[in-house]
Formats: sequence, structure tokens, C-alpha cells
Amino acid sequence: DQQVKQNSPSLSVQEGRISILNCDYTNSMFDYFLWYKKYPAEGPTFLISISSIKDKNEDGRFTVFLNKSAKHLSLHIVPSQPGDSAVYFCAASTGGAGNMLTFGGGTRLMVKP
Amino acid sequence: DVKVTQSSRYLVKRTGEKVFLECVQDMDHENMFWYRQDPGLGLRLIYFSYDVKMKEKGDIPEGYSVSREKKERFSLILESASTNQTSMYLCASRPTGTGRNEQYFGPGTRLTVT
Repeated sequence: DQQVKQNSPSLSVQEGRISILNCDYTNSMFDYFLWYKKYPAEGPTFLISISSIKDKNEDGRFTVFLNKSAKHLSLHIVPSQPGDSAVYFCAASTGGAGNMLTFGGGTRLMVKP
Repeated sequence: DVKVTQSSRYLVKRTGEKVFLECVQDMDHENMFWYRQDPGLGLRLIYFSYDVKMKEKGDIPEGYSVSREKKERFSLILESASTNQTSMYLCASRPTGTGRNEQYFGPGTRLTVT
């Protein structure tokens, strides 16, 4: 059973609008969450992270929200740009920074000009 | 910048062959990881290593082994390749003790077993 799930395999958004990517998890021991972006033929690159002691972390156009009671996190990209078109993976770990990551299945974001 | 390199971008092997995938990182990271990426399943951890000659099984170690003789190099071995091992293989590394958990990935090796 997947402990980290991204239920939308794909998402299409107009340039300049908001992109919202969602991620749900089942393991209540997860306490550190990350988002990675992956372009075709490249490895994933780290985007943004959040610790379970916070409910929001912002970095430029990217904001991650964490709802621990719902075991749900989301990544907001505002405004979306065509260069944001990629596959986005959420990942989670237990025991704070330093442990293995469990990844979701990924969401393919397409930003249309 | 952290650099993680993988020996091949594309590889085609026959069923039953022994396959070696090599990964090298240049940032003196203690931890290294091997994943496979399949559509809809995300990245699944095969093996990881937290020090030279140390290895730990991940979620899907069956059919694979690893070797870490030097800190910068982590090899994934398919003892007898099978068609269900056709996949994208990703190597990653991460330092210890930074208080952060980001892993740095190589470009991947797309392996096809026929």
C-alpha cells in the first residue's frame, strides 16, 4: 500500500494562473515533507520542504501547505510559467531530517502559454 | 554544486545478463541511494548506503545487490536481469548532519531488458 499518494496523475493550467498540486499520506509518523520537480531525461531536483512543526513554507513563487489533521499537503505555484511544466513528486520521511524518503506517484503539470 | 553522475543514460540488456549500474558523487556525501521510477508508482527505494561498505535494503531489494567500496561510488547490480526490471534507475546522495533531508539525484539510467 502506498503511504504517499498523489491522486491526480496530470494537471493542466494556463500561464499566469495558480497551479495546485496535492498529496495525501497515511503514515502519521511522517514529520518532514518535500517536493521535487523532474524534467524528462533528468533526475528529480529539490524544490521546497516543510517540517511538521509548520503549516506553511514559502519560497518565491512556490508555497507548500501542510494539514496534519487531514494528512494532506499541497504545493501552490503562483504565477505558473511554461517552464514549470514537469512531473512533481511529493516525498515524506520519519524521524526528522536524515531518514529515507517515501515518494508519491507524481503529477504531471502542463502550463499552457 | 553537487554533482551526481551515472555511467549510462540508456542501456539495453538481455534476460539473464548481469548488469552493473554505476553512480558517482563528488560532494563527499555519506549517504547514497538507488531508486527505480515506474509510471504511477513514483520512486521506490531499492538499496541505500550510509557509509563505505555499509548497505541497507530499501522497499524493493529483490533481484538487486549493491556495492560501496569507496565513499564516492555506489553500484547497483542486477545479478540476472529480467524483463520486469526494465525501468528508469535513479541514484541519489545526501550528506549527514545538515538538519535537512534533500537528496541530490543523478540524471538516471533507462534500462531495457529484452
